[in-house]
Amino acid sequence: QSALTQPPSASGSPGQSVTISCTGTSSDVGGYNYVSWYQQHPGKAPKLMIYEVTKRPSGVPDRFSGSKSGNTASLTVSGLQAEDEADYYCSSYAGSNNYVVFGGGTKLTVL
Amino acid sequence: EVQLVESGGGLVQPGGSLRLSCAASGFTFSGYWMLWVRHAPGKGLVWVSRVNGDGGFTAYADSVKGRFTISRDNAKNTVYLQMNSLRAEDTAVYYCVRAGYMYGYDYWGQGTLVTVSS
Repeated sequence: QSALTQPPSASGSPGQSVTISCTGTSSDVGGYNYVSWYQQHPGKAPKLMIYEVTKRPSGVPDRFSGSKSGNTASLTVSGLQAEDEADYYCSSYAGSNNYVVFGGGTKLTVL
Repeated sequence: EVQLVESGGGLVQPGGSLRLSCAASGFTFSGYWMLWVRHAPGKGLVWVSRVNGDGGFTAYADSVKGRFTISRDNAKNTVYLQMNSLRAEDTAVYYCVRAGYMYGYDYWGQGTLVTVSS
């Protein structure tokens, strides 16, 4: 059982927006602004999409955005495209003992 | 171009040992924390171990503490994970990861599969 809770699946049609949630506690998501999101296509390495809750690394389309409210972080993908179909994982800093914890992943399907 | 290339995975019996290697290129290796993250079948990602830039600080997840050892050779741009007393629950794809941001991992290797089974 993963430390952070994500819905197992999400879906949307091309052009639509989809939001994936990531729920933790005040000891991780709610306590620090160090939430990251990763995209993983089958057989490929994870790719960093969002870090420090809202920041995008160079090269990540601005269709991807992150936010946080309380103990829940969210990743929104706007203007869905076929290539966005992948697994998405969230992570959060969880203090010096637990360091970083991950969610169980959400499979995003583009209908 | 940043590249992380893992090697050393394979099939090992319970109680056995393996040494994973990760060859890095395309960046100033000694300037970054490096980590190992694993992904077991049907489960989420899990942080395993981390090491700072000069190798002087290491840390481990409780599940591997006392059994795994992380190290790095900055002259060879390589980070290692020595895994001893392996258990079935250590079966996973192991990724070598660069910590490019505060708790955000910007480059990942392709992963190496470790299977612990008799």
